[in-house]
Amino acid sequence: QQQVKQSPQSLIVQKGGIPIINCAYENTAFDYFPWYQQFPGKGPALLIAIRPDVSEKKEGRFTISFNKSAKQFSLHIMDSQPGDSATYFCAASIETSGSRLTFGEGTQLTVNP
Amino acid sequence: GAVVSQHPSWVICKSGTSVKIECRSLDFQATTMFWYRQFPKQSLMLMATSNEGSKATYEQGVEKDKFLINHASLTLSTLTVTSAHPEDSSFYICSADGRTALYYGYTFGSGTRLTVV
Repeated sequence: QQQVKQSPQSLIVQKGGIPIINCAYENTAFDYFPWYQQFPGKGPALLIAIRPDVSEKKEGRFTISFNKSAKQFSLHIMDSQPGDSATYFCAASIETSGSRLTFGEGTQLTVNP
Repeated sequence: GAVVSQHPSWVICKSGTSVKIECRSLDFQATTMFWYRQFPKQSLMLMATSNEGSKATYEQGVEKDKFLINHASLTLSTLTVTSAHPEDSSFYICSADGRTALYYGYTFGSGTRLTVV
């Protein structure tokens, strides 16, 4: 019940394309859903996060879509650029102090010029 | 924004020696910090949860005597890999729970690449 399933494992798009990464969770107690971007040799950096009281959130070129009934959420990257090439992780947690993040398996995104 | 500083960025040590990794929250206080291990092309694996002023909580299968965690202040947690062996070579990442009135979310350090030779 603590798992977060992420797909696809890898994704290749052309510059300007809109890669979509999907995640599904089991634990209905989760109430915080962040996405992280990780470059090789670096720690993850928070991209955008959503709470289950909204169905969509946009920050710049990044959009999270959230479907509470389906227990799914996804990341869309608009007008993707080669600099977006990185590994993306979805995660989920319960919004109480000290609770852990449960990570998805990660998606390696390559944006070709 | 919230910044977590992790040092060193990389370290090479001889088998049998100990290595200490520091994780500092620079502009916020973190009651809870987390330590992860990451293998190439894999997700982050939580090793332990570190709470200021109390003993760390280790995940199943993580040797607490090998991976010593100290969280002596609200801005500093350390991970010491004792008697390191080549199989301990990995990428270690810390994270601080910055969900306060000022900051929101978990902030990660830049990671430490440990190589044991």
